[in-house]
Amino acid sequence: EVQLVESGGGLVQPGGSLRLSCTASGFTLSTYSMNWVRQAPGTGLEWVSQIRGSSTFRDYAESVKGRFTISRDDARNSLHLQMSRLRVEDTAIYYCARENYDPSHGYYLFDSWGQGILVTVSS
Amino acid sequence: EIVMTQSPATLSLSPGETATLSCRASQSVSTYLAWFQQKPGQAPRLLIYGASIRAAGVPGRFTGRGSETEFTLTISSLQSEDFAVYYCQKSDNWPPLTFGGGTKVEIK
Repeated sequence: EVQLVESGGGLVQPGGSLRLSCTASGFTLSTYSMNWVRQAPGTGLEWVSQIRGSSTFRDYAESVKGRFTISRDDARNSLHLQMSRLRVEDTAIYYCARENYDPSHGYYLFDSWGQGILVTVSS
Repeated sequence: EIVMTQSPATLSLSPGETATLSCRASQSVSTYLAWFQQKPGQAPRLLIYGASIRAAGVPGRFTGRGSETEFTLTISSLQSEDFAVYYCQKSDNWPPLTFGGGTKVEIK
């Protein structure tokens, strides 16, 4: 069974840092593109970052570029998001999501999501 | 950056009625469009990808249509478990993989 479990959230002061983790089970994380998506309280979904299977391609939303770094630990089958210079507006539930590929139709799809982890940036 | 716009923001309907949700892209996304359902306190759930392909386990009352810039999600004969928030997403694997602002389907 495919499962994604986020950890590492909590309360941090503005300007501080936090490292989120997403541990995968039921599949090999390195063979998929993986994403972080966040949801501020009472608002919609915002795509944050993606790392491709090869790890040579990584991209970020403009709102976090230069402050967040996505990475992967293949030995631990885990995904990470290093967040620095945190702002109040980074307060959100952070989800990791697997991007699968349907070869019979030629489409990508976010088919598995973690339960989410809350990050609160406040003084 | 492609902007995804959903309408209406809220849809008030009774069980058994049909819901029609709209998603518009600021530029063509071909058929690289996905729909998600999210219930309170839960992670999003994939319903539709490729604009019209139902994900595994999704009931047949959910139908996605459209291409280029105009897309719809139709939920026929609303069930109690269908009252939720629905999001569309540009899903062409070229970031940013933008989401729409969401449509809340609520009980009238």
